[in-house]
Amino acid sequence: NAGVTQTPKFRVLKTGQSMTLLCAQDMNHEYMYWYRQDPGMGLRLIHYSVGEGTTAKGEVPDGYNVSRLKKQNFLLGLESAAPSQTSVYFCASSRLGTSGGIGTQYFGPGTRLTVL
Amino acid sequence: GDSVTQMEGPVTLSEEAFLTINCTYTATGYPSLFWYVQYPGEGLQLLLKATKADDKGSNKGFEATYRKETTSFHLEKGSVQVSDSAVYFCALSDRRSQGNLIFGKGTKLSVKP
Repeated sequence: NAGVTQTPKFRVLKTGQSMTLLCAQDMNHEYMYWYRQDPGMGLRLIHYSVGEGTTAKGEVPDGYNVSRLKKQNFLLGLESAAPSQTSVYFCASSRLGTSGGIGTQYFGPGTRLTVL
Repeated sequence: GDSVTQMEGPVTLSEEAFLTINCTYTATGYPSLFWYVQYPGEGLQLLLKATKADDKGSNKGFEATYRKETTSFHLEKGSVQVSDSAVYFCALSDRRSQGNLIFGKGTKLSVKP
C-alpha cells in the first residue's frame, strides 16, 4: 500500500514550457486535491475533484488545468509555465468521512518545480 | 470567508521544554479543526483533529482542545524532543466548502538538544 505518490519529484522548466504532474492513490479515495506551498503562505488549494470525471476550482486555479479520468489518478497541467508557478506542489486524497463529512486528507511527498 | 491564523515562527526550544503553538480561526459554520505536521523534505501528515466544540485531539504527546468560545485550537506538548522539529500547520474544514482544508501559514519548530 503506497498511499499517495507523485511524479516527478523535481523538475526545472523554462518560461512557456508545459508539463503534467501525476498524482496516484491506491486507497480507493473519492476526493483528490492539488495544493501549492510557498514560503510564508501555507498551502493553497489549486483544484480538487470529488469523483472520477469531475473537477472544481480551488483558491488559486489560474494557469493550471486538471483531469481525473480514473479514480486513482489526478493530473495537474501547466500549459505555459511562468516563474510565479515556482513552488512545491502537493497532492492529497481523502474518502467520505463519517456522518457525510470529509475524511482525513493524506498527502503525497511533493513535487518541487522551478520555472526559470 | 473562513480563515486560520497561527503564531508566526520560527520557534526554537530546548529538549524537554513545554510547547504551545497558538491557532485561532474564523468560520461562519461549525468547522472541524486539524493540526498537520510536515517533517523536512516530506508531505504533510495529520497529527490530530477535533470535530466539535470541547473535543480534545491528541497524538504522540501533542494535544489541542476545540474552544468555540475563543475560536481557538492551540497545540501543546509537555516535553518536546529533537525529533519534533518540523513545521506545524493548523487547518479547518467546513462542509460548506465541501470539506476543503483551509490552512494557516505554518509554524516552524526547532528543538535543540
